[in-house]
Amino acid sequence: GDSVTQMEGPVTLSEEAFLTINCTYTATGYPSLFWYVQYPGEGLQLLLKATKADDKGSNKGFEATYRKETTSFHLEKGSVQVSDSAVYFCASSSSNTGKLIFGQGTTLQVKP
Amino acid sequence: DTGVSQNPRHKITKRGQNVTFRCDPISEHNRLYWYRQTLGQGPEFLTYFQNEAQLEKSRLLSDRFSAERPKGSFSTLEIQRTEQGDSAMYLCASSLSGADGYTFGSGTRLTVV
Repeated sequence: GDSVTQMEGPVTLSEEAFLTINCTYTATGYPSLFWYVQYPGEGLQLLLKATKADDKGSNKGFEATYRKETTSFHLEKGSVQVSDSAVYFCASSSSNTGKLIFGQGTTLQVKP
Repeated sequence: DTGVSQNPRHKITKRGQNVTFRCDPISEHNRLYWYRQTLGQGPEFLTYFQNEAQLEKSRLLSDRFSAERPKGSFSTLEIQRTEQGDSAMYLCASSLSGADGYTFGSGTRLTVV
């Protein structure tokens, strides 16, 4: 069945460092891909999405490009801030019901 | 639009008891989803409603679990004869357009002692 695999955390970075969180997927067909963020004590929020190959999703300085050839959707940010500390989830959806398949999550901690 | 509301926020129950959670979706959203999230893991799909019809259920949803969405508005998730393994965060989400337009609630954290 469909699955999503993320790099294990926690990821600890200093402020203004470059961030990459790897995400790969397996799916039948061509899924839509998403990154969600969960700040401490809050619910899941959509960060960005891409619906077809070579699409780039972006929001709040974060970017991810849908790579069909490598079945990947890596999350990047050029300069992280302390306020970016959160858990990040990669997800896919290839069902017409809109069901999401999530990765296990990657905790990011940014130190001043 | 007040977002997706879930009640209660926290529930502690003794093993063997029944519990019921409620989800109030965004009013114009016809799709409603339940997920379960355990510590250190991503959310896992449980079930999906389109309006009042329950159209998909995960194998994770054992016979002890039942979900309803009467009249296509709010939804309830009931767990009968709770077990310690049921301890988790139960998330509800609603959408008008499938995966592209999810709004998640803050979840109900269940602890079975």
